[in-house]
Amino acid sequence: KAGVTQTPRYLIKTRGQQVTLSCSPISGHRSVSWYQQTPGQGLQFLFEYFSETQRNKGNFPGRFSGRQFSNSRSEMNVSTLELGDSALYLCASSLALGHGGTEAFFGQGTRLTVV
Amino acid sequence: TQLLEQSPQFLSIQEGENLTVYCNSSSVFSSLQWYRQEPGEGPVLLVTVVTGGEVKKLKRLTFQFGDARKDSSLHITAAQPGDTGLYLCAGAQGNTPLVFGKGTRLSVIA
Repeated sequence: KAGVTQTPRYLIKTRGQQVTLSCSPISGHRSVSWYQQTPGQGLQFLFEYFSETQRNKGNFPGRFSGRQFSNSRSEMNVSTLELGDSALYLCASSLALGHGGTEAFFGQGTRLTVV
Repeated sequence: TQLLEQSPQFLSIQEGENLTVYCNSSSVFSSLQWYRQEPGEGPVLLVTVVTGGEVKKLKRLTFQFGDARKDSSLHITAAQPGDTGLYLCAGAQGNTPLVFGKGTRLSVIA
């Protein structure tokens, strides 16, 4: 079974530009979550999509947006990039567990550098 | 706001030593996961614990979920350099987002 695939792996952008990152979840997983990871802040939740609808949202500005397609693939977009957006962006596809919990499987991440 | 506190934040030990990493919260979770992450890669799921008091073993790693499902520990026996990495715990509750601790960065020196 293929894992979570994120593209691209590395990206260098200039301040003010926008960027789109892609995530293909594990087959059969309908939930996709996005996280930003920086050395100082750890893993910070951006948003979660389930069946093409945003189900949860973290505390990030509106410059960060996402969407999910009917095949569960997801994209996240960051507009008007700032230097502070440099981070490892992680996508996780999740499976609901019978007792109400969730098990998440991560992709390798996209390393975004804003210069 | 649910929070998960991990301790210690950093740990540097010699090969062959034992260690324990802790993950604590004041919130109750339906399940708790442990992940290991290497630099530049995504976290890899090691184990999920779901029942209070549950103990799971994965080779030299032993995971325990607290009786009240608020805390967990990860014990590594006879650590090896290959165990080096960032260990993250994450708590799950219904359809709310996973809550992650900030991680324990482990370095095992040969």
